[in-house]
Amino acid sequence: LAKTTQPISMDSYEGQEVNITCSHNNIATNDYITWYQQFPSQGPRFIIQGYKTKVTNEVASLFIPADRKSSTLSLPRVSLSDTAVYYCLVGDLDSNYQLIWGAGTKLIIKP
Amino acid sequence: DAGVIQSPRHEVTEMGQEVTLRCKPISGHDYLFWYRQTMMRGLELLIYFNNNVPIDDSGMPEDRFSAKMPNASFSTLKIQPSEPRDSAVYFCASSLDLGQGKSSYNEQFFGPGTRLTVL
Repeated sequence: LAKTTQPISMDSYEGQEVNITCSHNNIATNDYITWYQQFPSQGPRFIIQGYKTKVTNEVASLFIPADRKSSTLSLPRVSLSDTAVYYCLVGDLDSNYQLIWGAGTKLIIKP
Repeated sequence: DAGVIQSPRHEVTEMGQEVTLRCKPISGHDYLFWYRQTMMRGLELLIYFNNNVPIDDSGMPEDRFSAKMPNASFSTLKIQPSEPRDSAVYFCASSLDLGQGKSSYNEQFFGPGTRLTVL
């Protein structure tokens, strides 16, 4: 199972773009990259998933370079409500349920 | 859909007592997962089911823990006897089956969790 490394915490301000980078040096060919968001006292919530290049949805963008050894979650124009823990996960979609959830990145948005 | 439903939301019990946590997955989902989250160990997968059949229980800490899924709309996680170190938030999650083309993303939908305190 691929192990991921991401910053323990980050601070930013309302209206800014926030980029959280995740390192996954031993990602396998069949592995996808998935990001979840967790608010206090709630379960994690799926944000975005991708395999290569760029993926964008209504919430975020995911940038994956050609070597796929890292990925960057981009949150445009954050607000206070984006304060949460963000998890980067890597795994084969066929066996993706055996995921290793690290400590995640605690993002704090300030006014 | 109401999402994944878990009960109770909070449980306080004494060491040695039996604890039963309950989960109702999203209707139509093929997979059900039980997780445990603590500050020390983060989020850990305990067990998951596919079409009501346990597939991988390697994350279950010990024989005191057991999980069942008698039908597609209900699952339980039981701890007997409970110990203080079992105190944690227990999450249930469900997802669609990617293999049958039901979903493009391996997205797990989590319930609100049950906060268990064993005194």
